[in-house]
Amino acid sequence: DSGVTQTPKHLITATGQRVTLRCSPRSGDLSVYWYQQSLDQGLQFLIQYYNGEERAKGNILERFSAQQFPDLHSELNLSSLELGDSALYFCASSAVGDTQYFGPGTRLTVL
Amino acid sequence: GDSVTQMEGPVTLSEEAFLTINCTYTATGYPSLFWYVQYPGEGLQLLLKATKADDKGSNKGFEATYRKETTSFHLEKGSVQVSDSAVYFCATRGTSYDKVIFGPGTSLSVIP
Repeated sequence: DSGVTQTPKHLITATGQRVTLRCSPRSGDLSVYWYQQSLDQGLQFLIQYYNGEERAKGNILERFSAQQFPDLHSELNLSSLELGDSALYFCASSAVGDTQYFGPGTRLTVL
Repeated sequence: GDSVTQMEGPVTLSEEAFLTINCTYTATGYPSLFWYVQYPGEGLQLLLKATKADDKGSNKGFEATYRKETTSFHLEKGSVQVSDSAVYFCATRGTSYDKVIFGPGTSLSVIP
């Protein structure tokens, strides 16, 4: 158990819909990262937050957004969903400059 | 930019065989290097890491040595078990930021 929790574990929705994925980092970790894992793209970094502020952006679509709240949990919002958004979404957390620890992931299926 | 290349597999080995999964990286400065493992249906777990040249990371019988001269971090295990069947990801993190760059992953299947 990495100490990072993600909810929900599975999510099934339809094209055009909007969903929110939630992540709680390990106790004391200020950095949260979001990744997308799909069969054709592999593991792609989406975005990083540090203590509530956006710190780095990767291959995140404009339809996607994220935020980190004062209690350090983070949410990833995916809107106008397309079939190609079906993937595993991972959250990771770390202390500054330290190893990233991953959550168990949320499997999103867009029908 | 930084990148990681690793053999993509799939790799199939018999139990007790020797395992090598090659990984090379491109990065400026002195990045930290990692191997993560993903068991079926689970998230990524840190397997081992090395933070400077010639460091050897080890865990659960797996080893990898940070070779700056060849920009490599090959994963090895002397005798694999069926329970080692998983996908292995090599990764690098630069010194000026926290973002981790992952390789494409290598799927390993160990058969009895």
